[in-house]
Amino acid sequence: DGGITQSPKYLFRKEGQNVTLSCEQNLNHDAMYWYRQDPGQGLRLIYYSQIVNDFQKGDIAEGYSVSREKKESFPLTVTSAQKNPTAFYLCASLDATNEKLFFGSGTQLSVL
Amino acid sequence: SQKIEQNSEALNIQEGKTATLTCNYTNYSPAYLQWYRQDPGRGPVFLLLIRENEKEKRKERLKVTFDTTLKQSLFHITASQPADSATYLCALARRDDKIIFGKGTRLHILP
Repeated sequence: DGGITQSPKYLFRKEGQNVTLSCEQNLNHDAMYWYRQDPGQGLRLIYYSQIVNDFQKGDIAEGYSVSREKKESFPLTVTSAQKNPTAFYLCASLDATNEKLFFGSGTQLSVL
Repeated sequence: SQKIEQNSEALNIQEGKTATLTCNYTNYSPAYLQWYRQDPGRGPVFLLLIRENEKEKRKERLKVTFDTTLKQSLFHITASQPADSATYLCALARRDDKIIFGKGTRLHILP
């Protein structure tokens, strides 16, 4: 089955800890995105990558980092600099032909 | 900076009626506009796309309009059903650029 896989589904972060959220796709899409969603809110863009080895900051990049070493993978690290990390994190890839995003099932990050 | 507004946080509609959701934007000239559906605890699912040179798109019970002069899109669900209850998100993009989302509207279809 083609799609986007996010793991883990639930993640807990301790004070001062960096955590990494995984996002893998087998759709052969070039562009990938990370969004953050707070309760009752829409999606805010953290980082996006339009091609391997390249990425751009979104609207709320502070306290986050990404890498794009492989087309299939776009991991997001939530650093200790992100003081309010509790949120639902969504990864997506773009079908550029039809101009639509495919989303993973999300990772809920909470602070211990 | 660009801004997307969806008209209301929540909307209650009687089953069988038409639900109309609004998306307004400012400081932006999108190449296209999209609508997504999101159920609780899940990722959004793509529904429809409409381009800047199109006025209206239909898919089964769904209809989207796009007015670039008013900077507004309307999303209609006709003959609404309780299963249509979800959050609906509007998104904008320029070609080869980031895709940005509104806050969404929670739609409740009342039986």
